[in-house]
Amino acid sequence: GNSVTQMEGPVTLSEEAFLTINCTYTATGYPSLFWYVQYPGEGLQLLLKATKADDKGSNKGFEATYRKETTSFHLEKGSVQVSDSAVYFCALSGPTDSWGKLQFGAGTQVVVTP
Amino acid sequence: EPEVTQTPSHQVTQMGQEVILRCVPISNHLYFYWYRQILGQKVEFLVSFYNNEISEKSEIFDDQFSVERPDGSNFTLKIRSTKLEDSAMYFCASSEEEQGQHNEQFFGPGTRLTVL
Repeated sequence: GNSVTQMEGPVTLSEEAFLTINCTYTATGYPSLFWYVQYPGEGLQLLLKATKADDKGSNKGFEATYRKETTSFHLEKGSVQVSDSAVYFCALSGPTDSWGKLQFGAGTQVVVTP
Repeated sequence: EPEVTQTPSHQVTQMGQEVILRCVPISNHLYFYWYRQILGQKVEFLVSFYNNEISEKSEIFDDQFSVERPDGSNFTLKIRSTKLEDSAMYFCASSEEEQGQHNEQFFGPGTRLTVL
């Protein structure tokens, strides 16, 4: 079945550092891929998404490219801020499962220090 | 900005008791979901709900679980006889009418359920 694997945290880095969180997936066909972020005390928020191979999702300085050949969707940000401290979840949906059923990775906690 | 709300934020109950977790989805959304996250584990899909019936459920969603949309605004998850292993964070989510690969689910802040 479908599954998502992402790097374990916590990831601790200084402000303005480069952030990469690795995410790989297992699925038949072309699932939709997502990054969700959870700030302390809040629900999961969609950060970005990509629905077909080679698509790049981007939002708030974060980017991720749908790589079918490596079945990956790594999240990157060139210069993090303290406000980026959160837990980041990689997720997929479809196509063999329903599009409404999100399958999540374990989450990666990111801590950005001043 | 419209948001999904959940109550209570934290629920403590005794094993064997019934609990009802409540959610108010975004008002014009028609698809509703429950997920849970046991501490230290992945967020897991429980159930999706559309047009007053379950669209899909996972193997976790056994006969102890039920969902309901009792009125035009609330969406509830009931656990009939809680077990210790039901302790988790429960997230409600909703999405707009079109169910497809471009659809975005909006999540609530979660209810932490602790079963003693």
